[in-house]
Formats: sequence, C-alpha cells, structure tokens
Amino acid sequence: GEDVEQSLFLSVREGDSSVINCTYTDSSSTYLYWYKQEPGAGLQLLTYIFSNMDMKQDQRLTVLLNKKDKHLSLRIADTQTGDSAIYFCAELSDNTDKLIFGTGTRLQVFP
Amino acid sequence: EAGVAQSPRYKIIEKRQSVAFWCNPISGHATLYWYQQILGQGPKLLIQFQNNGVVDDSQLPKDRFSAERLKGVDSTLKIQPAKLEDSAVYLCASSLDGSNDRTDTQYFGPGTRLTVL
Repeated sequence: GEDVEQSLFLSVREGDSSVINCTYTDSSSTYLYWYKQEPGAGLQLLTYIFSNMDMKQDQRLTVLLNKKDKHLSLRIADTQTGDSAIYFCAELSDNTDKLIFGTGTRLQVFP
Repeated sequence: EAGVAQSPRYKIIEKRQSVAFWCNPISGHATLYWYQQILGQGPKLLIQFQNNGVVDDSQLPKDRFSAERLKGVDSTLKIQPAKLEDSAVYLCASSLDGSNDRTDTQYFGPGTRLTVL
C-alpha cells in the first residue's frame, strides 16, 4: 500500500535554510505536493512537482525529487519566523487517485 | 474569494453521543472532500463527492459515519454514536473538478476539532 514518511521535528535559526525530507512508497505517483498547516488553520498548498521533474523552484521554495529513491525534499531559503508550521508531504496515488499525506514535520524557527 | 467554511470550529461530546459537522465549499467547486486528521498524523480521506454523488467512501466507517451533499453545494458529516478514537480534526476541502486534472488544487477549511470524552 501507499505510505509517506517524514521526520517529526526540525528546528532552525531565522535566516538559515530549512530542508524537510519525505519518503514515499508508491512508485506510480504522478504528482507530489507540499502543504503547510499553521496552528488552528487548514492546509495550504505550497507547491507541487510532477514525477518527471527533478527540481522545481518557486521564490524561496525549492523542491527536489529523487524518483529512484522515492525521496522528496522541500528547501526553504532564508527561513523566517512566519514559516513556523507543520509541513505535510503528499502523493497523488495513481492506484487509488487519492492524496496520501505524510505524518507532517513541525518546523520551529527561532531568532 | 471566500474560502472553505466549516462549523463548528470546536466540539466536545461524550462517547455514544451524536455530532454533525457542516462544510460550505468555495463557490463553483464541484468536488468536496472530508478528511480526518488524528493528532500527530496527516489527514486521511473519509469521503469524496463530485457534485451530489459519492466518488469514494471506501475509508468511511459506515457503521457510525455518514455524509451527504444533497444539493451539490454544502455538506454535512455525522458521527453516530461517537467513540473515543473519533477525537480528531475533521477537515473539509473543495476543488474545482477533482475528476481529471491531476493538478486540481484542493482548498482546505480550518477544520472542526472534535474531542470525545
């Protein structure tokens, strides 16, 4: 079945880069997503990448995809306190046509 | 553009009681989703509607959970009777058309936090 895993916590200093990692198991996934969830709020789509791409950059966000290792990462450049949130990786399973979410990584940014 | 609205934001009930959640999707969005997010986990899809028809309810515990979207707009999710393990945040999301476009963005509401005592 599908499984998406992430590390639980990441703590970085303001101004540094953050790298959040994710591994998935469904090799038929066509799209992979990163969502951000702030306290008391719903999920906000940050970015997505198509499975035939290696990298996608969007302002401070860089997504890297290693399809061979089924590894996805999100790099946030110049991390700010407003970036503190839980970040979810999700894959769109070709088998089930459903979004499968990871457990989420809590990013804490300290001054 | 107004986002996905949900109510109530918080609900505390005792086990074996009933509870209902309401969702109003973004205007014009045909597809509506209900997710369950247990503390420390990612959201898990419970049910997906396309207009007023059910597309996928394979992970909905049908012995106690029910959902409807009678007019293809608002939706309600009901739990009857509730169990302790139903404590979670229930998220509603909508998208323009979830049937074909793989990049069809799902927009999420703020969720309803349910505590079952």
